Amino acid sequence: EAGVTQFPSHSVIEKGQTVTLRCDPISGHDNLYWYRRVMGKEIKFLLHFVKESKQDESGMPNNRFLAERTGGTYSTLKVQPAELEDSGVYFCASSQRWREGRGSTDTQYFGPGTRLTVL
Amino acid sequence: QKEVEQNSGPLSVPEGAIASLNCTYSDRGSQSFFWYRQYSGKSPELIMSIYSNGDKEDGRFTAQLNKASQYVSLLIRDSQPSDSATYLCAVRGAEYGNKLVFGAGTILRVKS
Repeated sequence: EAGVTQFPSHSVIEKGQTVTLRCDPISGHDNLYWYRRVMGKEIKFLLHFVKESKQDESGMPNNRFLAERTGGTYSTLKVQPAELEDSGVYFCASSQRWREGRGSTDTQYFGPGTRLTVL
Repeated sequence: QKEVEQNSGPLSVPEGAIASLNCTYSDRGSQSFFWYRQYSGKSPELIMSIYSNGDKEDGRFTAQLNKASQYVSLLIRDSQPSDSATYLCAVRGAEYGNKLVFGAGTILRVKS
């Protein structure tokens, strides 16, 4: 079974440019999460999709970040325009089931991350 | 105060010794606790999960949870050089949206 994959593995862009990160979760997983780790800090939650719907986007830093999960499969995270403080490693994770009224207690499997550098 | 705190290390132990990694958390309503291992440039990999007070053993790994003290630890017995990695403590809160809150991680170095 393929794991969570992310593309690209690295991205270097200029301040003000746009970057789109992609995540392909494990096939059949309802839940998809985005996390971010900036230099020297802990991994922080950005948002959570259940299928194609945003369940929790409380961690999104501002409106320069736009996440989508069309058809409930892969997800994209667009940063537009990118700022210097957006540099970091962006992780995607997925877990299997979402139960109405109970949420998901399944293991979250992480992808290798996309290292974003904004110059 | 950070939600999940870990000593950043590095923690250095000789091969064959017991490595003890510690984590404290601030949210008393936290339900689930996880230890992830991350090698440099790789994805975090779940190695242990624990949900109730006490010890949980899996091979060379033992997770210990004390909810009253808001403390969770990971013991690695017979440490090997291949255990050298960053160990991330993660906590899932009371709300069922189930996002994980991570500590900054502890770097473990096992010297042969």
